[in-house]
Amino acid sequence: EDQVTQSPEALRLQEGESSSLNCSYTVSGLRGLFWYRQDPGKGPEFLFTLYSAGEEKEKERLKATLTKKESFLHITAPKPEDSATYLCAVRPNAGNNRKLIWGLGTSLAVNP
Amino acid sequence: DVKVTQSSRYLVKRTGEKVFLECVQDMDHENMFWYRQDPGLGLRLIYFSYDVKMKEKGDIPEGYSVSREKKERFSLILESASTNQTSMYLCASSLPQPYGYTFGSGTRLTVV
Repeated sequence: EDQVTQSPEALRLQEGESSSLNCSYTVSGLRGLFWYRQDPGKGPEFLFTLYSAGEEKEKERLKATLTKKESFLHITAPKPEDSATYLCAVRPNAGNNRKLIWGLGTSLAVNP
Repeated sequence: DVKVTQSSRYLVKRTGEKVFLECVQDMDHENMFWYRQDPGLGLRLIYFSYDVKMKEKGDIPEGYSVSREKKERFSLILESASTNQTSMYLCASSLPQPYGYTFGSGTRLTVV
């Protein structure tokens, strides 16, 4: 069964304390992996798409990497405004691949 | 700025009422989706549409229906609202694979 697992469920960091969020996936072939940021009471906001193992994408303090089994979202020197829930989703290669399979997210809090 | 617009941010309805949630996108996307999001359960797909007048059931379609008469508009209908349909409802759209989704801001529906 296709599955996406994110860890940790929640993470609290001090401002400037770098860390990584994990997204492990089990799918029958990967068509794409997506990272989103969601602020409370709002819709998810697209961050990155990764398509193949070894690929990396960067945006400001965020860097996403991809292997054949997992993806990491690295947060370098985070600021309080990086506090949000980060969601990971995958699009399988097989079956009805119009649908994404979602993880439950990691809730990140960055203290000043 | 490309957008997915949901007609209401907050909605309070009575049990048994018929409820319409509207979603409009201005990106000429083929695919449109309705999700609900609940704490601990993540994003769950209700229905999606890959073309005008076409629809497919998602993972939790019971108690819901949808309508897509025009490419830019996708409506979610709660035939007879119940308290267990209290949730955050999110609309999204996308180009055909392998692209990710663009989400609306969400509608927080409370059924009393």
